[in-house]
Amino acid sequence: LAKTTQPISMDSYEGQEVNITCSHNNIATNDYITWYQQFPSQGPRFIIQGYKTKVTNEVASLFIPADRKSSTLSLPRVSLSDTAVYYCLGGGGSYIPTFGRGTSLIVHP
Amino acid sequence: SAVISQKPSRDICQRGTSLTIQCQVDSQVTMMFWYRQQPGQSLTLIATANQGSEATYESGFVIDKFPISRPNLTFSTLTVSNMSPEDSSIYLCSAFRDTGELFFGEGSRLTVL
Repeated sequence: LAKTTQPISMDSYEGQEVNITCSHNNIATNDYITWYQQFPSQGPRFIIQGYKTKVTNEVASLFIPADRKSSTLSLPRVSLSDTAVYYCLGGGGSYIPTFGRGTSLIVHP
Repeated sequence: SAVISQKPSRDICQRGTSLTIQCQVDSQVTMMFWYRQQPGQSLTLIATANQGSEATYESGFVIDKFPISRPNLTFSTLTVSNMSPEDSSIYLCSAFRDTGELFFGEGSRLTVL
């Protein structure tokens, strides 16, 4: 299971693009990178998952460079409702999912 | 897509008592996970529950305090035993979808007086 490191907190303003980077130096060959979002008093929910290069869905984009030692979650044009904690996890197959401290994103008006 | 139902959603308990949290998945899953999340903190994995075998506990968590049952591939329970105020927390169960993403129940908020 890849050990991950993220910034503890970030601030942004409505309408801006937010990029949250996660470091995972010891990622294994078959590990995927997955990002989750958690609002207060709710369980985390899946945002996006990728293995390499770029993945995009209706919510976010995920950039993973060729060496796969880091990944960047990109949230386009954030709104106040994007204020949440964001977690990146690395693992493959039936791994045991453990969460790091996550990044607390606060979006200001 | 699969859904996890967790209950109770919240409870207030007296110290020294025990509470059992139930987690029901609407599809069969191999592994289920139990987490604890204290206010302002990240999720801490308590244990992994597999059907037909004893749960695997993470460091700092023991079976006597957090007994877990996993009678079939869609259901699990976590008991918080001999509770103290330090056990006040949100307890979450989760499982993997076939797509590899982790999904969670809504959590059980426990307050111990």
